[in-house]
Amino acid sequence: GAVVSQHPSWVICKSGTSVKIECRSLDFQATTMFWYRQFPKQSLMLMATSNEGSKATYEQGVEKDKFLINHASLTLSTLTVTSAHPEDSSFYICSASWGDGYEQYFGPGTRLTVT
Amino acid sequence: GQQVMQIPQYQHVQEGEDFTTYCNSSTTLSNIQWYKQRPGGHPVFLIQLVKSGEVKKQKRLTFQFGEAKKNSSLHITATQTTDVGTYFCAGQSNDYKLSFGAGTTVTVRA
Repeated sequence: GAVVSQHPSWVICKSGTSVKIECRSLDFQATTMFWYRQFPKQSLMLMATSNEGSKATYEQGVEKDKFLINHASLTLSTLTVTSAHPEDSSFYICSASWGDGYEQYFGPGTRLTVT
Repeated sequence: GQQVMQIPQYQHVQEGEDFTTYCNSSTTLSNIQWYKQRPGGHPVFLIQLVKSGEVKKQKRLTFQFGEAKKNSSLHITATQTTDVGTYFCAGQSNDYKLSFGAGTTVTVRA
């Protein structure tokens, strides 16, 4: 149980375009979803926390208008990278939790390359 | 904000040897979690430690949580090639956010 999927698994886009990444909890209802970013050979950096039906809480330094997060249901959260630039190229990983929120289940990640 | 430091960053181990990776938090944690990420993969949950001084074992892996709930360690005995990957500790505070350490990347020579 506790499976989280992400789509797409990888995407290449041109600079200036927008990309949407989906995160789904397949067998549980996720009260909270988290979005992380991981640069090559670096650790995971939390970008934002989203609760179903409410606005996401962004970490310091993360642009809200650039990384749009929508948590429309208890099983789906989306991250849209708007007007992507090459420096946005990264591995984006979501995680989901329920209940007391202590255990997070990670999706397989989405590798974004902006050319 | 909360910071989690993890050392060493790299660990090159002879197959069969033991090694330990350490984590230290700048603040007291609610719990600490350990994850393993294989090359090209995503983090996979290994274990969660909640109680002060807690010790948990998973086969050849031993996890410890310090008495002050600010540090933790992962000790692997008799390293195998399947242990290759990056091990992250992640400290969690009451707001459920996970602060990841930098990770220890383990390579094994046969």
